[in-house]
Amino acid sequence: DAGVIQSPRHEVTEMGQEVTLRCKPISGHDYLFWYRQTMMRGLELLIYFNNNVPIDDSGMPEDRFSAKMPNASFSTLKIQPSEPRDSAVYFCATSTSGRASGELFFGEGSRLTVL
Amino acid sequence: QKEVEQNSGPLSVPEGAIASLNCTYSDRVSQSFFWYRQYSGKSPELIMSIYSNGDKEDGRFTAQLNKASQYVSLLIRDSQPSDSATYLCAVLNAGKSTFGDGTTLTVKP
Repeated sequence: DAGVIQSPRHEVTEMGQEVTLRCKPISGHDYLFWYRQTMMRGLELLIYFNNNVPIDDSGMPEDRFSAKMPNASFSTLKIQPSEPRDSAVYFCATSTSGRASGELFFGEGSRLTVL
Repeated sequence: QKEVEQNSGPLSVPEGAIASLNCTYSDRVSQSFFWYRQYSGKSPELIMSIYSNGDKEDGRFTAQLNKASQYVSLLIRDSQPSDSATYLCAVLNAGKSTFGDGTTLTVKP
C-alpha cells in the first residue's frame, strides 16, 4: 500500500488567497483526521471523519477553514481566505475502526507558508 | 491543565544508555495510549500502543501504563544515535487522539 498521500508537499501563498490541501487515505481505513502542527501549539486535531461523515470539527479554528470527504478515497482541507497565522504543517492521518482507531498512519504533511 | 503532558526536555543520553520518557493524562476514562516518533522534518510514526496496565515490550522499546496514576512511559534500552527524535505521547478519547507537546531525545555517540 502506498500509505497516506498528501498534496501539495509545500505551498507558499499570499495572505487572502485560497488554499486547498488534499489527502488520499489508505484503502480500507475508515477514519480520517486532519491535524495541524506548529512549534507554538504542537499537534492539534482540526477535524475527523468516520466513513466519510464529519464527526468532530471542534478543532477547526474559524469559519475560514472547511473540510470535505466526498468519498472514501479523498479529502480536502480548504482555507479561504488564508492568513499568515495559518502557516503550519498540515497532516492527514487515517486509521481503522475499533481499538485500532488510535493507531494513526500519517501522510508526509503539507507545509503551508502564508506571506 | 493540558489533556496530555510530557517532560519538556530536551533529553540527552549517551549511546547504549536507557532513555526514559514520561507522559501524564487528565481524563481518567482514557483507555488507549500511544507513542509516536517524529524525526525532524518528517511525519509522526507509531512505535508503540498500550491498552492495559503494566508493561508491553517490543524490541528495545517498553511502554508502561499505570491507569490509577494516569501515567504512561516509554523506555528505550541500548539507545542508538538513530533514536534521536521527538517522541509524542497520544491518548485516545471519544474517537480522537490528543497529543502531548513531545520530548526531544538526543542520543550522543
